[in-house]
Parts: sequence; C-alpha cells; structure tokens
Amino acid sequence: SQQGEEDPQALSIQEGENATMNCSYKTSINNLQWYRQNSGRGLVHLILIRSNEREKHSGRLRVTLDTSKKSSSLLITASRAADTASYFCATDAEAAGNKLTFGGGTRVLVKP
Amino acid sequence: NAGVTQTPKFRVLKTGQSMTLLCAQDMNHEYMYWYRQDPGMGLRLIHYSVGEGTTAKGEVPDGYNVSRLKKQNFLLGLESAAPSQTSVYFCASSAPAVEQFFGPGTRLTVL
Repeated sequence: SQQGEEDPQALSIQEGENATMNCSYKTSINNLQWYRQNSGRGLVHLILIRSNEREKHSGRLRVTLDTSKKSSSLLITASRAADTASYFCATDAEAAGNKLTFGGGTRVLVKP
Repeated sequence: NAGVTQTPKFRVLKTGQSMTLLCAQDMNHEYMYWYRQDPGMGLRLIHYSVGEGTTAKGEVPDGYNVSRLKKQNFLLGLESAAPSQTSVYFCASSAPAVEQFFGPGTRLTVL
C-alpha cells in the first residue's frame, strides 16, 4: 500500500486562483517532499520539509506539515497555465532507509 | 551538467526478449534508483543502490535485475520481458536524505 495518498486526485481551476492539495501518510517520517511532473516528463523536485518543520515557502509555493495528523498540504498561489501538471508527495519514512514512497498524485489543470 | 540521463528514450520489445536500460548521473551522487510509473499512478521503486557495487530490492523487484559497477551508472535489466512490464521507467539519483533528481524516462512497450 502507498505511504502517501494525495487528495484530490484531480483539480481544475482558473488562472489566478489558488490550488491546494493534500497528502496523508501512515508512518513516522524523516521528511516529506513534493514533486511536479509535466506530461510525458520526469519529476522535478519542488520542496522538502523535514519532520521538525511545520511550514516552508518557495516562491508561490507553500507547504505545511502536521506530523500529529500525518498530513501535508501544498498550496500554489496565483496559479498560471504553466502550473498545469501532476503533483506528487513522497515520504522518506524512518523505517524505509533513504527510500521515497510516492503517492498517486494530484492532476492540476489551470485554465487560461 | 547533464544531470541524470537515460537511454534509450523509447523501446518496443516482444514477450520474452531481454534488454538493458542505462542511467547515468554526473552529480557524484551516492544513491541511485529505478522506478516504474504506470498510467495515472505514482512511482513505484524497483531497485536502488546506496553506493558503487551495492544494490537492493525495492517495492516491485520481480522480473528485473540491476548493476552498479560504476558510481555514475545504474543499469536496469529485463531478463524476459512480459506485457505487465509495459511502463515508463525513471531513474533518479540523490545524496542521502535530500531531494532526488530524475531522468526524462524510458517508455517501454512489451507486445
């Protein structure tokens, strides 16, 4: 079974709106990472948040981590058509030893 | 820097044929990984390596073998291809406990 599960599976928004997606996981983690995948391409790393951190920002991206609820969220503010992609969370679990476990992803469509 | 490169980009095999996928990285990373991604799904780890000469099984290792003879290269072999191995294969590399860098993928079809 997957360690990380994203919600929603798909999201359609207008350019300029914010997009929020969530990730839940099951076991204790060292860190949680978010990746973006454009259609037909490899994954690109967005943000890494460690288990002792609660929030991180990178440009228009904001990630939160709640270890008590075993969940994380990724917020993309002021979305652009170029943000259209699939977004994956990946957990580096304490028991997994430097291996990432990926969720199924959220497919985001930003309409111009 | 080229980052992580994969060859070939596309391949079509017949059931029972064998092939090797090559991954190369120029970032001097210790760790390398092979994943597969099926349509509409996330990545699943096939095998990984934490250093030259070492390999370990991931979540879905059956039907695949790997070798890490040089630090910069990680090879994935399919001994006898099956239609269930039709997928997109991604290689990645990293330093310990930080982000992974991914290659562009190899799209494999097994008929």
